[in-house]
Amino acid sequence: AQKVTQAQTEISVVEKEDVTLDCVYETRDTTYYLFWYKQPPSGELVFLIRRNSFDEQNEISGRYSWNFQKSTSSFNFTITASQVVDSAVYFCALSEGTGFQKLVFGTGTRLLVSP
Amino acid sequence: EPEVTQTPSHQVTQMGQEVILRCVPISNHLYFYWYRQILGQKVEFLVSFYNNEISEKSEIFDDQFSVERPDGSNFTLKIRSTKLEDSAMYFCADHPGQSSDEQFFGPGTRLTVL
Repeated sequence: AQKVTQAQTEISVVEKEDVTLDCVYETRDTTYYLFWYKQPPSGELVFLIRRNSFDEQNEISGRYSWNFQKSTSSFNFTITASQVVDSAVYFCALSEGTGFQKLVFGTGTRLLVSP
Repeated sequence: EPEVTQTPSHQVTQMGQEVILRCVPISNHLYFYWYRQILGQKVEFLVSFYNNEISEKSEIFDDQFSVERPDGSNFTLKIRSTKLEDSAMYFCADHPGQSSDEQFFGPGTRLTVL
């Protein structure tokens, strides 16, 4: 069975601090995809990144970076120099198989960035 | 840029009433999904739909729920007799069918059952 665990329920930081959101996943498949979504207060789900199980390269996009480690079944997300606009709930998700399968979401981490 | 749209954005209904939530997926996308998010909780999978039939459904998706794609464009979720616990945000999503892509989510419909 597939499962995603986001142990951090809420994180509060001050602007310009770096913050890392943890994600640990469980799956029996050797082929799977991992995702991060941002849910701002307005409620929509904003896609941030998609990673397949065969690509363990870390990725950086502006202030965002992701660390994928199969050895620890983790896919952590770091925001560098956080800004107030980063305040949102962040969800990690897993999809087994071909990439068309359902997404299984973690419980989310609420990030509060104060000025 | 094409996007998934959902109507209405907010629906209020009385317990026991039927509701239909509508989604217009991106043209030429092949896989369709409904997810639910109860306020303050995680996003949960309800059902996936491919080639005009359900490909997978969760335990939540019981006989009260149904989906269809009546005209080849709209993708609907019907709840036959709403319960208080059906109050949630319902997200429609689709996928183009290429493994290099992600699911595209609509903005959601907030359903409030009184």
